[in-house]
Amino acid sequence: SYELTQPPSVSVSPGQTASITCSGDKLGNKYACWYQQKPGQSPVLLIYQDRKRPSGIPERFSASTSGNTATLTISGTQALDEADYYCQVWDSNIAVFGGGTKLTVL
Amino acid sequence: EVQLVESGGGLVQPGGSLRLSCAVSGFTFSFYDMHWVRQRTGKGLEWVSTVDSAGDTYYPGSVKGRFTVSRENAKNSFYLQMASLRLEDTAVYYCARGRRWGDFDNGEHAFDVWGQGTVVTVSS
Repeated sequence: SYELTQPPSVSVSPGQTASITCSGDKLGNKYACWYQQKPGQSPVLLIYQDRKRPSGIPERFSASTSGNTATLTISGTQALDEADYYCQVWDSNIAVFGGGTKLTVL
Repeated sequence: EVQLVESGGGLVQPGGSLRLSCAVSGFTFSFYDMHWVRQRTGKGLEWVSTVDSAGDTYYPGSVKGRFTVSRENAKNSFYLQMASLRLEDTAVYYCARGRRWGDFDNGEHAFDVWGQGTVVTVSS
């Protein structure tokens, strides 16, 4: 079965850039999404079709995919960005999530 | 305003059954694929099932044969019938709307709106 690998945790200082990676076999051939989940809340779609933002998602969230890795980048990270982040793709009509990355804003 | 509201969670014994419901409003329900995603306490997200706009259904191996997803467009609702429940099915279950570009098979879709979740506890 298809697997996506994310680092369990990433730390960043306020105002700096955070990068969260997501790796999977031939990931560049699939369409990656990213979700943000804050404690006690439901997930929120941040990125779809590899790099597009839904309306209402701040421009500081961006993403790209190359080869086997998708990367979520948060520019000018704010304290309110502290959350869990999940990548997700579809593989043969099966939805697959990465294990999630806890972003800590120190 | 787009809203998804889950209901039907609760405590059930191993081997038992439970039916979850998701009532939606604020969009044309019949046009959209709908999904169930679960999250065990302290763990990540796990896709559970999908019923697409045509009524076709999809499941991961972990629940196939035990869970059945269905929809009722006239009631703007869809459901997850869970049977032969196991301890490991204990989780928060979220319903989510699917946004899709193209055919289902091309994998170009996202979970664009989520409900607040309903808790399912399987325990003796």
